[in-house]
Amino acid sequence: EPEVTQTPSHQVTQMGQEVILRCVPISNHLYFYWYRQILGQKVEFLVSFYNNEISEKSEIFDDQFSVERPDGSNFTLKIRSTKLEDSAMYFCASTLKPTGELFFGEGSRLTVL
Amino acid sequence: QKEVEQDPGPLSVPEGAIVSLNCTYSNSAFQYFMWYRQYSRKGPELLMYTYSSGNKEDGRFTAQVDKSSKYISLFIRDSQPSDSATYLCAMSDNTDKLIFGTGTRLQVFP
Repeated sequence: EPEVTQTPSHQVTQMGQEVILRCVPISNHLYFYWYRQILGQKVEFLVSFYNNEISEKSEIFDDQFSVERPDGSNFTLKIRSTKLEDSAMYFCASTLKPTGELFFGEGSRLTVL
Repeated sequence: QKEVEQDPGPLSVPEGAIVSLNCTYSNSAFQYFMWYRQYSRKGPELLMYTYSSGNKEDGRFTAQVDKSSKYISLFIRDSQPSDSATYLCAMSDNTDKLIFGTGTRLQVFP
């Protein structure tokens, strides 16, 4: 069964360091997303990406965040200078069409010290 | 008023019970409704996807949407200990941004 895969599963970093989280969406999907979940809180939308550009982003997704699809399979989230409050689970998701069934990866846990 | 409200639980039931999980919402533009199951420190797993009002059944799971009351439900029949997880409702309007509830933690004991 096709699935969204994410790496790393857990990353620990120092405040101010750059972090790149990687995702391989389901192969025939066209719409890609990042969500995050701070421990004990709800899953929150960060950004959606289609046709090699951002289609929508939340207030959380400020200038410290960027996304990229560097090749035909990977989708990355970069945090330029991490802050303590960036500690969270980051989930990549993909779908074949907007408003369609959205499939999530297992998540990358980011711990900022 | 929060956009999506969900009782955090925990909800504790014996094996074999029928479980009812619910969410209310305030945005009448929501048309797409989903239920996800999330095990601890794992990604959300899609259980049910419905569009607009009505019922949908898949095995032991039934999803109901009542747009007039802005209320959605997930029923789990013959609950199993393996159903113990957090259940998230999520919804969207015509954009592709999902709004999630806080999740209800379900415990099914043998």
